[in-house]
Amino acid sequence: AQSVTQLGSHVSVSEGALVLLRCNYSSSVPPYLFWYVQYPNQGLQLLLKYTTGATLVKGINGFEAEFKKSETSFHLTKPSAHMSDAAEYFCAVSRSGGYNKLIFGAGTRLAVHP
Amino acid sequence: DVKVTQSSRYLVKRTGEKVFLECVQDMDHENMFWYRQDPGLGLRLIYFSYDVKMKEKGDIPEGYSVSREKKERFSLILESASTNQTSMYLCASRVRQGNTIYFGEGSWLTVV
Repeated sequence: AQSVTQLGSHVSVSEGALVLLRCNYSSSVPPYLFWYVQYPNQGLQLLLKYTTGATLVKGINGFEAEFKKSETSFHLTKPSAHMSDAAEYFCAVSRSGGYNKLIFGAGTRLAVHP
Repeated sequence: DVKVTQSSRYLVKRTGEKVFLECVQDMDHENMFWYRQDPGLGLRLIYFSYDVKMKEKGDIPEGYSVSREKKERFSLILESASTNQTSMYLCASRVRQGNTIYFGEGSWLTVV
C-alpha cells in the first residue's frame, strides 16, 4: 500500500528565507509524486510533479522538489519565501500506470511573516 | 485550461436530509473523483469513476453514493446527511490513466 507522511503540520518562515517542506512516501512500485498548493477557500493547484526522468523537478512560483529514491523523499523547496506563498501544501503519491489513485499527505500549512 | 466546476460552494443542510453535490468538467476527462478534506487528515478519496456509469469505492465510501450518467458530470450523494459529514468536498478530474488530477474549488458542507 502507498502512503505519504508530511513532517510538520505547520511551518513558519520569514519573508526571504528558505522554504523547506518535507515529504516522505512509501510505495512498493515506482511512484509518481506530486505537490499541490491550496490557497484559502480554493481548490488544489498543481505545483509540480515527478513521473520519470530528471529527479530535480521545477514547478510554478519558484518551487522545486527532488525525488530521492534511497531516502523515499520528495521535499519541496523555494530559495526565498514571499508573503504570497502562505498557503497549505499537500504532497501526494500514486502508482505508475493502471487506475492510479492519488494518496495525499495530511498537509503542511506555511506561514510567511515579514 | 481545464475547468472543474462545483456548483455549490457553501451549503447548510439539516441532519437526515438528502444532499447532492454536483461537479462538471469541461475537458472530456474519463476519470473523476470525489475527495473529502478535513484538518489534519489531508484529502481522503470517497469515490472515483473511471468512465461513464463506472464507479469504484475509495477509502471512505460509507454514507455516500455517486452517479455518473454523463461523462462531464459526477455527482456525490449523501443519502441521509449526518453532522460527521460536515466537511469540505473536492471534485477532481483526469484524462484516462493520466497522471495529473485537476481540482474544483470545493464545496463547504455544514450539517446541523
